[in-house]
Amino acid sequence: DIQMTQSPSSLSASVGDRVTITCRASQSLSGYLNWYQQKPGEAPKFLIYGASILQSGVPSRFSGSGSGTDFTLTISSLQPEDFATYYCQQTYSVPRTFGQGTKVEIK
Amino acid sequence: VQLQESGPGLVKPSGTLSLTCAVSGGSMNGSHWWTWVRQSPHKGLEWIGEAHHSGTSNYNPSLRSRVTISLDISKNEFSLRLTSVTAADTAVYFCAREPSRIYLDCWGPGTLVTVSS
Repeated sequence: DIQMTQSPSSLSASVGDRVTITCRASQSLSGYLNWYQQKPGEAPKFLIYGASILQSGVPSRFSGSGSGTDFTLTISSLQPEDFATYYCQQTYSVPRTFGQGTKVEIK
Repeated sequence: VQLQESGPGLVKPSGTLSLTCAVSGGSMNGSHWWTWVRQSPHKGLEWIGEAHHSGTSNYNPSLRSRVTISLDISKNEFSLRLTSVTAADTAVYFCAREPSRIYLDCWGPGTLVTVSS
């Protein structure tokens, strides 16, 4: 199985801050890396696929980058509705695997 | 497209967990795959498996001997069957759509299944 490791596990930030979350895979993903946002009691919401392609309707303050084994999710200016847990997922091979999550909390 | 899970919220140890996902607003044919994911505090988000209307399916090796995902195109629903459950199978179970096996773009709200006597 491909292991996905996110850092940090949690962070505290203020509205307007720039936030960066990192995801590292145990082997190259050839770009098959997705990002999801999850709020308490809800299902994950799909944000980004192919490491950097925004799903339709996702605000442009979200961006993704990276290749090979190292990927980044950036929120350029944190908004109140962005406080949530973020997960990366690889779809390069079976079984699909997720990172352990990064919880973004209000400072 | 909307997805909705249904099924028993409580299953006895050694029993079988059976869930159904109703798909509305879209067809189950085409390039989409249909997936089950579960989430627990212990293991986080765990991919269970996926199935396609062609009859192809893929499962997590850690669950393969116990899991079956099947599609009923006529009813626009798909199901999960997990046998010989233990407390470790207690989780929130989500169904999701996977276009062309690239990402999970639509999810059901999830349903909590507890394994307990």
